[in-house]
Amino acid sequence: QVQLVESGGDVVQPGRSLRLSCVASGFTFGNHAMHWVRQAPGKGLEWVTFIRYDGSNKYYADSVKGRFTISRDNSKNTLYLQMNSLRAEDTAVYYCARHGQKSSPYAMDVWGQGTAVTVSS
Amino acid sequence: QSALTQPPSVSGSPGQSVTISCTGTSSDVGNNNRVSWYQQPPGTAPKLMIYEVSNRPSGVPDRFSGSKSGNTASLTISGLQAEDEADYYCSSYTSSSIYVFGTGTKVTVL
Repeated sequence: QVQLVESGGDVVQPGRSLRLSCVASGFTFGNHAMHWVRQAPGKGLEWVTFIRYDGSNKYYADSVKGRFTISRDNSKNTLYLQMNSLRAEDTAVYYCARHGQKSSPYAMDVWGQGTAVTVSS
Repeated sequence: QSALTQPPSVSGSPGQSVTISCTGTSSDVGNNNRVSWYQQPPGTAPKLMIYEVSNRPSGVPDRFSGSKSGNTASLTISGLQAEDEADYYCSSYTSSSIYVFGTGTKVTVL
């Protein structure tokens, strides 16, 4: 079945780095753009970043621009989020989500279960 | 980019209808028809309910419907059921080629 599985979440100190991964299965990963979305404890969803199917274009929320980098390895069906200079306000559950194509364009039609990142000294 | 504005909560009895509004600007909701809605029961990942303002993915009950007027999009749940109790978020593609979510609305079935 179509599935996204995130990993890499951890407890880290402010200013440190962390890399999240999202492994896709059950569909042709290389045909889909992908997103990262986060949710701070008890808060709403916040869109973080987007990457086109071939990695040619990437977009970021202002809150993470210059600190986070999205990338993908289509040969490994894997999406990444490199997070540098982490701050307390980056504490959240991070979800990867598939960008819909013809069946649901401009929407996030498949979501992973999320991985928790805590930034604390 | 500021979050889209949603009411914090709405409630209704089983069988009733509830409507959730999602207000943005001419740079997002009012700029295109790329508005989507997501349902998130407690402790679970979000689920796509509506895309491109009013389209339902396969498997989503037709009790869920979407619409838009100007800078405000709306999600209506007709024939409210206990299983509909969850948080709901709107999202829009923007003129800056990024996405923005709404503030979220908690739906309570009385």
